[in-house]
Amino acid sequence: AQKITQTQPGMFVQEKEAVTLDCTYDTSDQSYGLFWYKQPSSGEMIFLIYQGSYDEQNATEGRYSLNFQKARKSANLVISASQLGDSAMYFCAMRDGASGGSNYKLTFGKGTLLTVNP
Amino acid sequence: EAQVTQNPRYLITVTGKKLTVTCSQNMNHEYMSWYRQDPGLGLRQIYYSMNVEVTDKGDVPEGYKVSRKEKRNFPLILESPSPNQTSLYFCASRLGFGNSPLHFGNGTRLTVT
Repeated sequence: AQKITQTQPGMFVQEKEAVTLDCTYDTSDQSYGLFWYKQPSSGEMIFLIYQGSYDEQNATEGRYSLNFQKARKSANLVISASQLGDSAMYFCAMRDGASGGSNYKLTFGKGTLLTVNP
Repeated sequence: EAQVTQNPRYLITVTGKKLTVTCSQNMNHEYMSWYRQDPGLGLRQIYYSMNVEVTDKGDVPEGYKVSRKEKRNFPLILESPSPNQTSLYFCASRLGFGNSPLHFGNGTRLTVT
């Protein structure tokens, strides 16, 4: 069984500072992928960044980067230079490995609510 | 614009009254899926479809039906809604290979009284 753990129910950060949102996962698969999504108060789910288990470098997308530590089974999201618009719920998700069949279902963590203070 | 469109955005209904939430995507994605989001439980998969006429159960399929007669559409049907199906529902789609991200619709907030 797969499991995604986000241990921070809520985080606060000052505008323009960097923040790290934690995500640990548990899987016995060798091939897997990790995703981060943002859910603002308006409710939509926005894809931010992806890291594959075989990717040698940490993924980056603009102000978002993923601190991937495979041995520790962690995939923390780093947001640099926080903006007020970054205030939202953030979800870490993992997809099934090859052993999971073609569903490649995403299993989501319970989320971290980030508040950016001016 | 590439998008997943769900309708309606908000729906209030009564127990037992059949309803359908529509979902359509214009990205020619093979894979489509329905999730429900509940406080403290995160997002859980209800049903998914790998392609036309191919559907299968997710983690919480009880009380729901789906169909995939066309590639772009994947409606969610509640034959006899109950209050425990009050939730925020998301339709999502992606390309067929595993590392492509899910693209979500804007969600449907359903209340069953």
